Amino acid sequence: AQSVAQPEDQVNVAEGNPLTVKCTYSVSGNPYLFWYVQYPNRGLQFLLKYITGDNLVKGSYGFEAEFNKSQTSFHLKKPSALVSDSALYFCAVRDDSWGKLQFGAGTQVVVTP
Amino acid sequence: DTEVTQTPKHLVMGMTNKKSLKCEQHMGHRAMYWYKQKAKKPPELMFVYSYEKLSINESVPSRFSPECPNSSLLNLHLHALQPEDSALYLCASSQVQIEGASNEKLFFGSGTQLSVL
Repeated sequence: AQSVAQPEDQVNVAEGNPLTVKCTYSVSGNPYLFWYVQYPNRGLQFLLKYITGDNLVKGSYGFEAEFNKSQTSFHLKKPSALVSDSALYFCAVRDDSWGKLQFGAGTQVVVTP
Repeated sequence: DTEVTQTPKHLVMGMTNKKSLKCEQHMGHRAMYWYKQKAKKPPELMFVYSYEKLSINESVPSRFSPECPNSSLLNLHLHALQPEDSALYLCASSQVQIEGASNEKLFFGSGTQLSVL
């Protein structure tokens, strides 16, 4: 069985401040981890993924995520948030065997000017 | 072209109507998906087509009927829907089917916002 948790329903941050969106996962095998972002009235857009290798993954729009195996976490980060980063962020996971992609509940990010 | 195009963007239908949602991609992807998404919730997988064949049906009611006429097109036929079926319906595609030993990413369309009255 696999699961993913996003412990925060909403994250509020001022523009220019660092942004972190948390994600923890549980899989039976090796994890494939993804972050997607959804802007209002739009579909999801891929931000980045971790498969293997370097624990720090860089993605689109200045986002990065750090894979931490011991803490089973894959937190999304951006050093300096923009108002345009306000959106709904989904973490997703599947293990490396046959398994469905599992989305987290989502975290609403609100960046204020 | 890295887009997945969905039509219509909005659809209002009565419970006795028959309508269809359409999805198109020209990225050469051989896997296409239908997801259902309620407001502020994660998308829920409905169907997966791989090489134009239905490979996954997530126990979706028969009032939803998918069709994949060719490698670029995906339809979702709707009939006798219920008000609780109101949601955003998202189409997605990927190079190969992700429900397997694959790390492929999904490309999503903007969705069809469906309201059932």
